[in-house]
Amino acid sequence: EVQLLESGGGLVQPGGSLRLSCAASGFTFSSYAMTWVRQAPGKGLEWVSATSGNGGSRWYADTVKGRFTISRDNSKNTLFLQMNSLRAEDTAVYYCAKHLTGTKGFDYWGQGALVTVSS
Amino acid sequence: QTVVTQEPSFSVSPGGTVTLTCGLSSGSVSTSHYPSWYQQTPGQAPRTLIYSTNTRSSGVPDRFSGSILGNKAALTITGAQADDESDYYCVVYMDSGIWVFGGGTKLTVL
Repeated sequence: EVQLLESGGGLVQPGGSLRLSCAASGFTFSSYAMTWVRQAPGKGLEWVSATSGNGGSRWYADTVKGRFTISRDNSKNTLFLQMNSLRAEDTAVYYCAKHLTGTKGFDYWGQGALVTVSS
Repeated sequence: QTVVTQEPSFSVSPGGTVTLTCGLSSGSVSTSHYPSWYQQTPGQAPRTLIYSTNTRSSGVPDRFSGSILGNKAALTITGAQADDESDYYCVVYMDSGIWVFGGGTKLTVL
C-alpha cells in the first residue's frame, strides 16, 4: 500500500525558514517523480514544485522560485521542501504527491502539513 | 502566465449527468497537456479521479469519465450521487516540468 506522510509543518515568522519532509512507502521511491502542492486556507490547489526520480531535475512555480528548494533522499525514501524567506501568502496546507509513470499527473497524495507564516 | 479556467460552481440533481470543463486562458487544452482531475472534500487530501485525459485511477467508479470537448478537457459524472458533492480540480502540464491547477469547481448535488 502506497503511503505518503508529511511532517515538519508549523508556525514560522515572516522571513523565516522551514523544511517539510514526506516519508514514502509501498513503492519504489526512486522510480517516480514527486511533487509538492499547496492549498491556502479556503483557496484552491496550487502546484509548487516537482523533482525527477533521481533528483537530477527540479521544477518550480514562479511564486516560489528562488525561495524554495525541493530535494529527495532516495536511500531514505524521503522527499523534502526547504522553504526560505517565507511570506504570509505561503501559509497553506502542503501536500506531497507521487507522480504516475511518465507525464501523466499524480496518483497518490499525503494527508498534508500545515504551514502558518505569521508574526 | 497561462491561467487554467474552471467553472466556479455547478449543481446537478441526484441521478443526473454533469460535465465540468477545464480550459486555458490562451489556447486549447489537448491530450499533450495530460489533463487530470481530482476530487476534494473539506478537510481531506485530494483524490485522483482521472489522469492523462481519460484514464480512471484505480478504484474510481466508471460513472466518472474524462475527455476533450472542443478546446477544453472535461470531466463527466453520470448518475450523480450525494457523495459526489465536492470540489473538483483539473491540472494540466504546461511543459518544462510545470503543472498548473485550475481554480476548482464546487459541485452541489441537490
